[in-house]
Amino acid sequence: SQQGEEDPQALSIQEGENATMNCSYKTSINNLQWYRQNSGRGLVHLILIRSNEREKHSGRLRVTLDTSKKSSSLLITASRAADTASYFCATDGSIKLTFGSGTQLTVLP
Amino acid sequence: DAGITQSPRYKITETGRQVTLMCHQTWSHSYMFWYRQDLGHGLRLIYYSAAADITDKGEVPDGYVVSRSKTENFPLTLESATRSQTSVYFCASREGQVEAFFGQGTRLTVV
Repeated sequence: SQQGEEDPQALSIQEGENATMNCSYKTSINNLQWYRQNSGRGLVHLILIRSNEREKHSGRLRVTLDTSKKSSSLLITASRAADTASYFCATDGSIKLTFGSGTQLTVLP
Repeated sequence: DAGITQSPRYKITETGRQVTLMCHQTWSHSYMFWYRQDLGHGLRLIYYSAAADITDKGEVPDGYVVSRSKTENFPLTLESATRSQTSVYFCASREGQVEAFFGQGTRLTVV
């Protein structure tokens, strides 16, 4: 079964709006990572947040982590059509990365 | 070229045949992984390896075999392909608990 579960499964917004995706997980983690996948391509790493961090920024990305609630969120600000992709959270307990089912984000021009 | 490469990119095989998917990385990362991606299931871990000659099962290992005689290579073999193994397969590598790098995927169809 998946360790991380993203919500919503699909999200459609207008260009310029913000997009928020959530991830819930079940067990303790060392870190949590977010990945992006364009259609027909491999996954690309976006950002990593460690279990002792609460918030992290990278360009237009903001990630939060609440270990007490076992949840994380990914915020993409000022979205662009090129942000259209699937986004996955991955929990990292030791060697393995365990992925959720992903959020399909569509940014309309 | 540096990176992680998978071959073939596309493969069609018949039920019952053996097929091997190749994965090669140039960084000498210790950890390597095989995932399958199916609609509605996200990525599920098939097998992983912590180093050469060390492999372990993931979430969905049945029907698959792996080996890792060299650090840079991590082939995945379907011993007797079934239609349920039709999927997109991704190989990944990383060094420690940091980001993972993914190959472009192999789209396998079992007919």
